Amino acid sequence: DAKTTQPPSMDCAEGRAANLPCNHSTISGNEYVYWYRQIHSQGPQYIIHGLKNNETNEMASLIITEDRKSSTLILPHATLRDTAVYYCIVRVVGDFNKFYFGSGTKLNVKP
Amino acid sequence: GAGVSQSPSNKVTEKGKDVELRCDPISGHTALYWYRQSLGQGLEFLIYFQGNSAPDKSGLPSDRFSAERTGGSVSTLTIQRTQQEDSAVYLCASSLTDGDNYGYTFGSGTRLTVV
Repeated sequence: DAKTTQPPSMDCAEGRAANLPCNHSTISGNEYVYWYRQIHSQGPQYIIHGLKNNETNEMASLIITEDRKSSTLILPHATLRDTAVYYCIVRVVGDFNKFYFGSGTKLNVKP
Repeated sequence: GAGVSQSPSNKVTEKGKDVELRCDPISGHTALYWYRQSLGQGLEFLIYFQGNSAPDKSGLPSDRFSAERTGGSVSTLTIQRTQQEDSAVYLCASSLTDGDNYGYTFGSGTRLTVV
């Protein structure tokens, strides 16, 4: 079962930062936080992941709270092409576990 | 290939028929997953292959569903005696190893419609 909680939908104005929250209050010490997104009619796409430190790549930034019970995915300058369902997932790397996808957050980027 | 390839991209079948869905993972990837996604729903785990280990079949919804992976590469998901509730997008994903820090690469899926 998914161990994360996300709001079902969010709106963001084009060009503004999109901040997508995720709660994972039961996360274990060896579980990473992963973010994927799924644009309509496509397979999910990896965005970013982290353990406890904040992470940044060319797509997004990931902010993980000190207690690791929640995190925020930040798209610094949202575009219309960022409209998608964003999934927050926790899993143990190196273990034979499956990714459990919850319901995700539908991000609507508006002009 | 450059990505995970799935075929066919669309499949319409009559209720009661058997169907086979194919997944070609990225060359060298040892971990392979099948998921399905019903309309407007999240992803549902079906089955997982890792190298030569016995597959994890815990997500298969019934004994009408089966999957195999030949030679550690191509995988086929078979649905026997299809039902209308089997209609969904079936997604395959692969990873270099299960410990791949960069997650999984998904294919574009096979849209199955049972009429």
